Amino acid sequence: QSVLTQPPSVSGAPGQRVTISCTGSSSNIGADYDVHWYQHLPRKVPKLLIYGNISRPSGVPDRFSGSKSGTSASLAITGLQAEDEADYYCQSYDNSLSHVVFGGGTKLTVL
Amino acid sequence: EVRLVESGGGLVQPGGSLRLSCAASGFTLRGYWMSWVRQAPGKGLEWVANIKEDGSEKNYVDSVKGRSTIARDNIKNSVYLQIINLRVEDTAIYYCARETQTAPGAFDIWGQGTLVTVSS
Repeated sequence: QSVLTQPPSVSGAPGQRVTISCTGSSSNIGADYDVHWYQHLPRKVPKLLIYGNISRPSGVPDRFSGSKSGTSASLAITGLQAEDEADYYCQSYDNSLSHVVFGGGTKLTVL
Repeated sequence: EVRLVESGGGLVQPGGSLRLSCAASGFTLRGYWMSWVRQAPGKGLEWVANIKEDGSEKNYVDSVKGRSTIARDNIKNSVYLQIINLRVEDTAIYYCARETQTAPGAFDIWGQGTLVTVSS
C-alpha cells in the first residue's frame, strides 16, 4: 500500500482530456515536497514526464501538464492519442519514511 | 549518449545473494545522486535505495534495510546494489536511475533494468 494514492485505471477516447490524481498527506505532498510524474510504456523504461510539479523535460509534448494543491497533485493529458496508453506513476518524498515514494500507478487505456 | 546499463541479475535461491551493477556512460557519475528502483511482476514501481554523489549518505526502503548495501565507484562510473538473504518477494526488474541536478528526487535517466528472480 503506497503512501501516494492513484486510481488504478482511467480511460478516454482519442482527442479527449483525462486527469490522473495523486493523493498524499502532510508528510509528503502536503509538506511541500515536489511531485514528479513518469510514463511507463509496455516493455519500455520509465520516462520522466513532469518534474517539480509542473515542469516538462525537453521533448515532452505540452499535451502533458502537472499541477499540485495541498496534499494532492494531478497529471492532465489533453488530445489523447493511442500511444499515450501506458502506466503513469507519481513520485515524491515522504519525511516520515525519510525516502522517495511512488504512487501505486494508474493504467491509462485509450478507447 | 547518456546511458545506464545494469547487469548482475539472474535466478537465485531464497536465502542467496546478488550484486547488481550499473555502468554509467556519457556523463560524470560523481555529480549525481543515484537510485535503484524495482518493479515486481504485475506491480508498480518501488524505490529501493539511493546514494549521495560522494557516497557519504545512503538510504534504503524498509523491506531491504539490513539486507542491502548500495555503493558507488566514481572512478569506474558505476553504482552497485548488493542484497543478501534474498526473498521470493525480492523478485523484480531492478532499474538504476539518475536523479536530476535541477529537480531533487526526479529521475531523468533510467537503465533498461536487470531481472532478479528468487525461486527454489
